[in-house]
Amino acid sequence: AQSVTQLGSHVSVSEGALVLLRCNYSSSVPPYLFWYVQYPNQGLQLLLKYTSAATLVKGINGFEAEFKKSETSFHLTKPSAHMSDAAEYFCAVSLEAGGTSYGKLTFGQGTILTVHP
Amino acid sequence: GAGVSQSPSNKVTEKGKDVELRCDPISGHTALYWYRQSLGQGLEFLIYFQGNSAPDKSGLPSDRFSAERTGGSVSTLTIQRTQQEDSAVYLCASSLGGLTEAFFGQGTRLTVV
Repeated sequence: AQSVTQLGSHVSVSEGALVLLRCNYSSSVPPYLFWYVQYPNQGLQLLLKYTSAATLVKGINGFEAEFKKSETSFHLTKPSAHMSDAAEYFCAVSLEAGGTSYGKLTFGQGTILTVHP
Repeated sequence: GAGVSQSPSNKVTEKGKDVELRCDPISGHTALYWYRQSLGQGLEFLIYFQGNSAPDKSGLPSDRFSAERTGGSVSTLTIQRTQQEDSAVYLCASSLGGLTEAFFGQGTRLTVV
């Protein structure tokens, strides 16, 4: 079964500081991995996705994530936080496998990012 | 419309009543998902429709919950005999299927009083 664990339900950083949101996955087959962001009172939108083409993935708003198979991780980073980055971030996994689970998205518990001046 | 549309946006219902939540996916999207988002609980998977395949219902929390997708397009999530613990935001998403990006609606906020 596939699963995702996000370490840290809340992360607080200063404006201009590095943002690091952690995500570890569990799957028995090659995963596709996603990061979504949810701004207050809005739906989820895709930040970036890993589809096995390149291990370092760049997304919108200056975010990027690196797939590390040996560590089963897909951590999200941004070199310099902006106040507008304050939101909840979700890591998700989808499996490249057949059957009824093909394409099913499983989400982590989410990490709330707070950016303070 | 251009995006995933959910209705109603807000629903207040009395305990014990049945409710229906509607999702209009993006045209041409073969996959449709329902999730539930409760405060501090993250995104809880409910059900997944993929084309003409049998849906993955493994996330439905009880037999009071059911969902259907008519004609491969619109989906309705039905909750019978609602309980206060059903209060949450119910999110619908659709995708082109397989391992493509899912697009989310704005959700239906359900409050059971």
